[in-house]
Amino acid sequence: DGGITQSPKYLFRKEGQNVTLSCEQNLNHDAMYWYRQDPGQGLRLIYYSQIVNDFQKGDIAEGYSVSREKKESFPLTVTSAQKNPTAFYLCASSMETPAEGNNDEQFFGPGTRLTVL
Amino acid sequence: SQQGEEDPQALSIQEGENATMNCSYKTSINNLQWYRQNSGRGLVHLILIRSNEREKHSGRLRVTLDTSKKSSSLLITASRAADTASYFCATDGNRDDKIIFGKGTRLHILP
Repeated sequence: DGGITQSPKYLFRKEGQNVTLSCEQNLNHDAMYWYRQDPGQGLRLIYYSQIVNDFQKGDIAEGYSVSREKKESFPLTVTSAQKNPTAFYLCASSMETPAEGNNDEQFFGPGTRLTVL
Repeated sequence: SQQGEEDPQALSIQEGENATMNCSYKTSINNLQWYRQNSGRGLVHLILIRSNEREKHSGRLRVTLDTSKKSSSLLITASRAADTASYFCATDGNRDDKIIFGKGTRLHILP
């Protein structure tokens, strides 16, 4: 059963804490992405990775960090430097990035809703 | 930076009617995609149309692309209650390695 999973579904963070959101895919996709979605808004790109051991900042990377040690996994850490982290976080993967070709349809996980207490 | 902008922001129609959503973008593209998002869920890919295509169909979905006007439309025919969702267009920048999503159209199908 191929797909992309995120955990946890809900996450609560106290001010000053770092938290890590998990994203795993078994689609054998090279590219992975993290997005943030605020209520009634579109998706804003936080970080993306085209290949293992490489990743690039998106439009709103400040206060976030990622790693890509394995092809299947792209965890996102929300650090204490992110002043307004309450949001819905979506992870996605694609076979290629737009620059590499046209197989850039993105497959999304179910999302993690992060709330700061 | 916002590439795609959907219009209208929200749309309510009776079940059985057709729903049309529009997307405008600023720079040239390789392709344009439409996604659906049910409340509190991830996005689901609906259809991709390439810059050299003008129209594409998939079941009850019809997508058009006018590169001269930098716009696309998504038509859902014979709408159903299950079509209630937010719909997003996403474009690549023809020179970039990421796609950019618009803010979406919230579609509500009335029984």
